[in-house]
Amino acid sequence: GAVVSQHPSWVICKSGTSVKIECRSLDFQATTMFWYRQFPKQSLMLMATSNEGSKATYEQGVEKDKFLINHASLTLSTLTVTSAHPEDSSFYICSGTQINSGELFFGEGSRLTVL
Amino acid sequence: AQTVTQSQPEMSVQEAETVTLSCTYDTSENNYYLFWYKQPPSRQMILVIRQEAYKQQNATENRFSVNFQKAAKSFSLKISDSQLGDTAMYFCAFIKIQGAQKLVFGQGTRLTINP
Repeated sequence: GAVVSQHPSWVICKSGTSVKIECRSLDFQATTMFWYRQFPKQSLMLMATSNEGSKATYEQGVEKDKFLINHASLTLSTLTVTSAHPEDSSFYICSGTQINSGELFFGEGSRLTVL
Repeated sequence: AQTVTQSQPEMSVQEAETVTLSCTYDTSENNYYLFWYKQPPSRQMILVIRQEAYKQQNATENRFSVNFQKAAKSFSLKISDSQLGDTAMYFCAFIKIQGAQKLVFGQGTRLTINP
């Protein structure tokens, strides 16, 4: 099946720094990428939806200036957590799909710890 | 807005038994996909089964089958002959086909298979 490669798998950073997480679709063109945040023992909470070449659509309560999403190509989407704080520590997962295909492919997830 | 509800936070059965996980959803859409995903401790999301809303026949994948009741907006997952490796979090998810797509997850059910 199709593969979405997500990096880094885990990252530790100091408070106030920015962290970039990448998701690459290796063998399909991801016209849409979903970004999720998952706290321990909880479900995946949708943060934003990005379509290639367009600005991301953020869910209510998600700060777009803090969580910068770029989807400049059909094979790469990035999430940048700017000026990270300890409360941003979480597990972040991306999922790529081709529009209306009904098939979604998940990255392996990135565990962010902000000290 | 679409919502997905899983009313069973935790379930536990003995190995080889059959277990059914419940999921209900709310939508005004007529065309959509429903999914069951498994998330083991590695946190990689694994597709268990997918159902197209326009198909009346329930999807089946080996030991996994669904009971899709479109009118009742119900989408339960049955796991037959449960195995220790089935222990994981299970998430029900919904995505509509037309228009702005969002993959929405239920709260999850933690399933434990006991030896």
